[in-house]
Amino acid sequence: SQTIHQWPATLVQPVGSPLSLECTVEGTSNPNLYWYRQAAGRGLQLLFYSVGIGQISSEVPQNLSASRPQDRQFILSSKKLLLSDSGFYLCAWAPLGSGSTDTQYFGPGTRLTVL
Amino acid sequence: AQSVTQLGSHVSVSEGALVLLRCNYSSSVPPYLFWYVQYPNQGLQLLLKYTTGATLVKGINGFEAEFKKSETSFHLTKPSAHMSDAAEYFCAVTNFSGGYNKLIFGAGTRLAVHP
Repeated sequence: SQTIHQWPATLVQPVGSPLSLECTVEGTSNPNLYWYRQAAGRGLQLLFYSVGIGQISSEVPQNLSASRPQDRQFILSSKKLLLSDSGFYLCAWAPLGSGSTDTQYFGPGTRLTVL
Repeated sequence: AQSVTQLGSHVSVSEGALVLLRCNYSSSVPPYLFWYVQYPNQGLQLLLKYTTGATLVKGINGFEAEFKKSETSFHLTKPSAHMSDAAEYFCAVTNFSGGYNKLIFGAGTRLAVHP
C-alpha cells in the first residue's frame, strides 16, 4: 500500500531563516505531487505541483520554492522566511496521469511557526 | 473557473443529532466533487467523492452527500452525530486543466459535537 511521509512534524523558525520541508511517498511510482498551505482559519491553498522529476509548477507567487530531486521526493524551501509563511503545510500525491476523478492522498502535515 | 463555497465556518450539534454541512460549487464543466475530513493537527482524509452516476454518494463513518446539479450543491450529511465526528470538513472540486488534476477547496467547516 502507498504511504506518504512529511518531515518535520513541527518547526519553529525565526524570521529570515531558511526552510526545508520534505515529503516522501512510498509504494507507488511517478506520482503527481502537491504542496498545500493551510493558514489559520482558512482553507487550503495549492502552492506547487509536480508531474515528474524536475517538473515544478507554481500556483501563486510567493517566498517559497519547490524541488523534486527524486521520483517520490518533494521538497519545499525558502531562503528567508517571513512571518506570513507560518501555517500548516500539507503534501499530497495522486496517481500518475491523474484525471479529474482521482483522489489526492494527503500526508500528516508540518506545522510551521515563524517568529 | 471552478470555486467552492462552504456555508458556515462553524457548526455545532448535539450527539445523536443530524449533521448537515453545506457546500455549493461553481463549475463550467461537469464537476467532480469531494469531501475531506481533517482531525486536529493531521492531514486530510477522503470521506467521499462524486464523479458520475448515482447522485447520492455514501462515504466512510456513516457520512453521505447528494449531488444536486440544479442547486449546484453537494451537502454532507450524517443521521446521527458522534463525538468522534468533531473535526474540520472541506469540500473540494476538481480543476483539471493543462493535464493536471488540481483540487479547489472551500474554506472549511469546523464541526463541534457536544454531549
